[in-house]
Amino acid sequence: QQQVKQSPQSLIVQKGGISIINCAYENTAFDYFPWYQQFPGKGPALLIAIRPDVSEKKEGRFTISFNKSAKQFSLHIMDSQPGDSATYFCAATDSWGKLQFGAGTQVVVTP
Amino acid sequence: DAGVIQSPRHEVTEMGQEVTLRCKPISGHDYLFWYRQTMMRGLELLIYFNNNVPIDDSGMPEDRFSAKMPNASFSTLKIQPSEPRDSAVYFCASKKTGSFYGYTFGSGTRLTVV
Repeated sequence: QQQVKQSPQSLIVQKGGISIINCAYENTAFDYFPWYQQFPGKGPALLIAIRPDVSEKKEGRFTISFNKSAKQFSLHIMDSQPGDSATYFCAATDSWGKLQFGAGTQVVVTP
Repeated sequence: DAGVIQSPRHEVTEMGQEVTLRCKPISGHDYLFWYRQTMMRGLELLIYFNNNVPIDDSGMPEDRFSAKMPNASFSTLKIQPSEPRDSAVYFCASKKTGSFYGYTFGSGTRLTVV
């Protein structure tokens, strides 16, 4: 049973557009919500992360929006570039540090 | 820092053979995780260690899988005997307690069992 539900499974966006990926969770013990980016043949790499006491975090073109009451969080990629083409995973962990991943979203940015 | 180092990068073996995957975590990290990635099941946590002690192995699929961490700088994941359904990419990751910056993953071992 997947503890973190992620959608969409894939998306195609034009260069300069906005990519939006959504995640939802049930376990209220989760206290850390990272996003990972994975390129083919590589391991996932931490992109950006947020704690539930913050509603939004921005790093460059990447923004996490967090809605604690709805138990949902999302990743926005602004001004998407072809180099952003990758698989993105949302994740969540509790105080034990056991990271639970969403199913992943394959993002393709067309020139 | 060299990051998390996994070996081998690729492994092709015949069904029934023993396979050993290796991982060297980042120095100073006290958590080590083994994940398996497949198209069907995504990223699955198999087992994790804290200070070289196995904490949770509930994700290990069968008794054919075993993992050890004899010291802070080395861990192995062994499959004996291997089966075609074990074909996947196996990732090792490490983390330091209290670090907000999360896990660091290795580049993975792509295992193919024929």
